[in-house]
Amino acid sequence: DSGVTQTPKHLITATGQRVTLRCSPRSGDLSVYWYQQSLDQGLQFLIQYYNGEERAKGNILERFSAQQFPDLHSELNLSSLELGDSALYFCASSVGGTRSYNEQFFGPGTRLTVL
Amino acid sequence: AQSVAQPEDQVNVAEGNPLTVKCTYSVSGNPYLFWYVQYPNRGLQFLLKYITGDNLVKGSYGFEAEFNKSQTSFHLKKPSALVSDSALYFCAVSPLSGGYNKLIFGAGTRLAVHP
Repeated sequence: DSGVTQTPKHLITATGQRVTLRCSPRSGDLSVYWYQQSLDQGLQFLIQYYNGEERAKGNILERFSAQQFPDLHSELNLSSLELGDSALYFCASSVGGTRSYNEQFFGPGTRLTVL
Repeated sequence: AQSVAQPEDQVNVAEGNPLTVKCTYSVSGNPYLFWYVQYPNRGLQFLLKYITGDNLVKGSYGFEAEFNKSQTSFHLKKPSALVSDSALYFCAVSPLSGGYNKLIFGAGTRLAVHP
């Protein structure tokens, strides 16, 4: 158990809908990262937050947004969902946000299915 | 552009034999390199990392990895494979610029250890 929790484990929804994925980092970790894992794209970095502020953006669509709250949990919002958004979404956390050598600890993921 | 290549989709090895999972990278400057393992229906687990220093890095579960700067490689090794090592293995690199911890992952290599 990494100490990173994600809810829900599974999410099934329809095209055009909006969903929210939630992540709680390990105790003491200030950074939260979101990744998308799909068969065709592999593991892709979406976005990083550090202590409530956006720190880095990757291949995140404009329909997707995230935030990190004062208690350091994070939410990833996916809107106007398309079939191609079906994927496993991982949250990870790490101690710092400014040192690239910190390992990240991953949650179990949320499997999103868009029908 | 920074990238990671895992040239083998799958590696098959008999239990008790040594295993190697290959990884090459393309980054500017000195890289920070990581190996993660993913078991079915689980999140990624950190195995080991190379930051600086000794080219042979030891990690969890008896795994080690050898950093070779001239060949830009970071191969994962284990002297004696176990059936329980069967999983999906990801090599990742962390960029040094920007002061953030985004991980760039390879496509993954499925390791199958046969009894």
